Amino acid sequence: KAGVTQTPRYLIKTRGQQVTLSCSPISGHRSVSWYQQTPGQGLQFLFEYFSETQRNKGNFPGRFSGRQFSNSRSEMNVSTLELGDSALYLCASSLGLAGDGEQYFGPGTRLTVT
Amino acid sequence: KNEVEQSPQNLTAQEGEFITINCSYSVGISALHWLQQHPGGGIVSLFMLSSGKKKHGRLIATINIQEKHSSLHITASHPRDSAVYICAVGDRGSQGNLIFGKGTKLSVKP
Repeated sequence: KAGVTQTPRYLIKTRGQQVTLSCSPISGHRSVSWYQQTPGQGLQFLFEYFSETQRNKGNFPGRFSGRQFSNSRSEMNVSTLELGDSALYLCASSLGLAGDGEQYFGPGTRLTVT
Repeated sequence: KNEVEQSPQNLTAQEGEFITINCSYSVGISALHWLQQHPGGGIVSLFMLSSGKKKHGRLIATINIQEKHSSLHITASHPRDSAVYICAVGDRGSQGNLIFGKGTKLSVKP
């Protein structure tokens, strides 16, 4: 079974631009969660999608948004990029709801904002 | 105060030593996860537990729900165990969102 894949793996953007990151979960998994990892804050929960519905959202500004498609693939979008958005963005998929079940993480997308 | 606290932050061990990493949390949880992150960023889920003890190879994870505390043990440590170990809890108060500890950086010297 293929693992969780994320594209692109690396990205360099300029302040003020927007970016879209993609996550393909393990086949059959219905939950996709997104996380931001920075050296200062560590790992932080962004949002979780389950069966195309956003189930929950972490404490991030409205510039961070996402969606999930009927095949469970998910995208997250960050608009009006700021320097502080530079981070490793990880997605994880699970059979059931995140937090209740084992999470399978993708390799991450490293975003650099200049 | 962080809702998930890990100790120690950094740990250096000699090959073969027994290692313990601790995690304390302050919220009601649905489950507790131990994760391993190697340089380069990839994260692997080691354990998910909500009670008792689990063992996988040289790794053992325990949890005490009443004391809100979990430990990850590594027996006969090896240099390939060098990684960051992260404790995360599913927060019942926020529909199971994962809250992460800051991680423990383990370095095992040959």
